[in-house]
Amino acid sequence: KNQVEQSPQSLIILEGKNCTLQCNYTVSPFSNLRWYKQDTGRGPVSLTIMTFSENTKSNGRYTATLDADTKQSSLHITASQLSDSASYICVVSARRNRDDKIIFGKGTRLHILP
Amino acid sequence: NAGVTQTPKFQVLKTGQSMTLQCAQDMNHEYMSWYRQDPGMGLRLIHYSVGAGITDQGEVPNGYNVSRSTTEDFPLRLLSAAPSQTSVYFCASSYRDRTRDTQYFGPGTRLTVL
Repeated sequence: KNQVEQSPQSLIILEGKNCTLQCNYTVSPFSNLRWYKQDTGRGPVSLTIMTFSENTKSNGRYTATLDADTKQSSLHITASQLSDSASYICVVSARRNRDDKIIFGKGTRLHILP
Repeated sequence: NAGVTQTPKFQVLKTGQSMTLQCAQDMNHEYMSWYRQDPGMGLRLIHYSVGAGITDQGEVPNGYNVSRSTTEDFPLRLLSAAPSQTSVYFCASSYRDRTRDTQYFGPGTRLTVL
């Protein structure tokens, strides 16, 4: 069964600290993995996308890693800011010929305290 | 570009009422989707369209209808609202391929069915 599991469910850190969010997936055949940021009351916004051959992708203070062998990804946030308070959603795509699937994780809720 | 727009932002319905959630995009994207987001669950696909005149069901299509008469618009119709349809609804669009191209999400419509 195609699944995307994220941990932790929620996280509270102080402004300026670093943090790492985890994503484990059992999706086949793997096409790509994205991390989205969803601010409260808004739609998700894509942060990074990684394909099978990529193991690191950065977007400013956000760095995503992918281990396709262990089917794990992480999102590292450096020097957190109050604006980083949001839900972060791991999304894995599967594709075989013309049949595609997108599986969304439930998200990690991140709270940054001043 | 306005991106993906959705109206209304909030709506309260009584059981049995019908309504249409509007979605429009000005990016000339071919692929459009409707998702629902419920607490503790990942986004779930309701219906999608690969181009004007073509629609198909996602994983939770019951109780919803869609049509795609133009590239820009993709309305979602609730035929007879039920409390189980209380949710936040997101419309998304992507250039051509929803797994390989970035999906752009609208701001969402928060629907409550009493």
